[in-house]
Amino acid sequence: KNEVEQSPQNLTAQEGEFITINCSYSVGISALHWLQQHPGGGIVSLFMLSSGKKKHGRLIATINIQEKHSSLHITASHPRDSAVYICAVRLGPGGGADGLTFGKGTHLIIQP
Amino acid sequence: EPEVTQTPSHQVTQMGQEVILRCVPISNHLYFYWYRQILGQKVEFLVSFYNNEISEKSEIFDDQFSVERPDGSNFTLKIRSTKLEDSAMYFCASSDEVASLDTQYFGPGTRLTVL
Repeated sequence: KNEVEQSPQNLTAQEGEFITINCSYSVGISALHWLQQHPGGGIVSLFMLSSGKKKHGRLIATINIQEKHSSLHITASHPRDSAVYICAVRLGPGGGADGLTFGKGTHLIIQP
Repeated sequence: EPEVTQTPSHQVTQMGQEVILRCVPISNHLYFYWYRQILGQKVEFLVSFYNNEISEKSEIFDDQFSVERPDGSNFTLKIRSTKLEDSAMYFCASSDEVASLDTQYFGPGTRLTVL
C-alpha cells in the first residue's frame, strides 16, 4: 500500500520568504500531483509531474523518481499563497482512470 | 475556462436517507472520479469511471455507493442509506483522454451533513 508523507504539516512564514514543502512516497508511481486547497475547501491542481521539474509563475515543482521524493517551492511568498498544499500520487501504469492517493497536506500561512 | 461543477454545494440529510450528489465534468473529458474528505482528514479516492463503467474503486466504495452517468453531461454519486460517518466533503474530478497522465480537474465540492 502506498503511503504519501508530507512535511512539514504546518508552516508559518513571512511574506517574501522562499517556501519548500516536501513529499515522499513509498512505492513506484506513474505521476505525482501538487494541489492547493483554500479555506473554502475547493481544490485546484497546480502541477502534474512524472519526472524532472516544472515551473509556473512563482511555483516550482521537482520530482526525483529514484528517491521517491518531490518538492514544491514558492518564491517570493505572499499572503494570498496561504492555503493547504497537498501532494497526491497516481499508482498504476498511467492509464487515465487511476485514482489518486493523497497526503495529509501542508497548512501554509504567509504573514504580511 | 471550462470547469467542473457540482450540485448542491451543501446537502443536509437524515441518517438512513438516500442522497444523490451531482457533477457536471468538463465537456470533452472522458475520465471521471469521486473523492471524499472527512473534516480534518485527507482526501480519499472513492471511484473512477470510464466508458460507462467503473474502472477502479476503493475499499470505501461499498454496496451503499453507486455512480452513474445518466446522460451526456452529468455524473452522479448515490449513497443509498446514509450513515453519520458519510458526513464529508465530496469532490468530483474529471480528466481528458488525450494524455494518459493528464491533470485531474476538481469541482468545488458538495458538503454532505448526515444528522
